[in-house]
Amino acid sequence: EDQVTQSPEALRLQEGESSSLNCSYTVSGLRGLFWYRQDPGKGPEFLFTLYSAGEEKEKERLKATLTKKESFLHITAPKPEDSATYLCAVQSNFGNEKLTFGTGTRLTIIP
Amino acid sequence: DAGVIQSPRHEVTEMGQEVTLRCKPISGHNSLFWYRQTMMRGLELLIYFNNNVPIDDSGMPEDRFSAKMPNASFSTLKIQPSEPRDSAVYFCASSLISDIRPLRPQHFGDGTRLSIL
Repeated sequence: EDQVTQSPEALRLQEGESSSLNCSYTVSGLRGLFWYRQDPGKGPEFLFTLYSAGEEKEKERLKATLTKKESFLHITAPKPEDSATYLCAVQSNFGNEKLTFGTGTRLTIIP
Repeated sequence: DAGVIQSPRHEVTEMGQEVTLRCKPISGHNSLFWYRQTMMRGLELLIYFNNNVPIDDSGMPEDRFSAKMPNASFSTLKIQPSEPRDSAVYFCASSLISDIRPLRPQHFGDGTRLSIL
């Protein structure tokens, strides 16, 4: 069974203080790893898809990286508007279109 | 472009009542997903459709839950009878399934917050 574990559960940073969120996964053949952002009262919003170890994707202050066992979401010089819950999900080569989600990291950026 | 549209946004009802949640996917998408989100378990897939046909309903908790997709523009998730443990946020998502990279992501609606008293 596919599993995704995210850490930490919650993270508070000062504005400008860079950090990383972790997503550890076990999957029977990785088809894709997805990062989403979720704001309170909203649905998850797609950020990145990663396919293979060594791959990196960037968008503004966010950079996602992938190894064979985990993915990191690096946040550089964050701003208060980066506050949200960040969700990681995996899709297996053998699990049809199903996404298995982690429970997320709740990020708070303090001005 | 309009995103995934869900209704109602909030639903409060008494135990035993029938609840119907509605979803309009993004036009042109060929797959639709129903998820449930709780604090304890996070986002869990309940069922998904491809070209209006249910493909995987292994996440549906029990027979009280049913989902339909009568056409490409509309889907419903029904709970009958409802129980307090069904209280959660229910999300609908849609996507264009393709084996060709890049994989198309699932796009989510803003959910229905369901409270069963």
